[in-house]
Amino acid sequence: DGGITQSPKYLFRKEGQNVTLSCEQNLNHDAMYWYRQDPGQGLRLIYYSQIVNDFQKGDIAEGYSVSREKKESFPLTVTSAQKNPTAFYLCASNSPPGRGVNGYTFGSGTRLTVV
Amino acid sequence: SQQGEEDPQALSIQEGENATMNCSYKTSINNLQWYRQNSGRGLVHLILIRSNEREKHSGRLRVTLDTSKKSSSLLITASRAADTASYFCATPTNSGYSTLTFGKGTMLLVSP
Repeated sequence: DGGITQSPKYLFRKEGQNVTLSCEQNLNHDAMYWYRQDPGQGLRLIYYSQIVNDFQKGDIAEGYSVSREKKESFPLTVTSAQKNPTAFYLCASNSPPGRGVNGYTFGSGTRLTVV
Repeated sequence: SQQGEEDPQALSIQEGENATMNCSYKTSINNLQWYRQNSGRGLVHLILIRSNEREKHSGRLRVTLDTSKKSSSLLITASRAADTASYFCATPTNSGYSTLTFGKGTMLLVSP
């Protein structure tokens, strides 16, 4: 079945550590996105990528980094510079990447907790 | 960036009743989308309505769009306990070519 796989489902990070969240899709979608969700708030855009080897910052990119070396994969690294990383992280994709005219397909999310 | 805001923040109804959620946005859009999120899960795309459409149906879902009032509504008819979830509206972001801006959502509780 086609879809988006996020791993791990739960992740614990110690202070000062970098951690990487995985996002893989087999939908042949061109565009991929990372959103952060905090309790009581909507989704906030971290980074997005419309094609391989290209990505743009979203509204809250500070403390995060991404890569898009393959069409299927869009990993997100939460660096030590992100001071409040505890949140639910959602990866999404769609195609074609034109003016949001097609709905997103979301993964099931990764819950990151700082310990 | 423009943003959809859902109303009410929370809604509690009995099975069999209808549930109506509203979304307001700030600037002109070419489409508006509704998503559902079950607790602790990813979002699921429900329906997309284009700016030249006034109403759209999908099963027990009915979405309306009033571009003059910059508002949309999602009606779920004959609600079931399985409809318990948070519902979000999303609109294309001005600055992003393909990005969406999501509201804070309406949390719907359907009791048996």
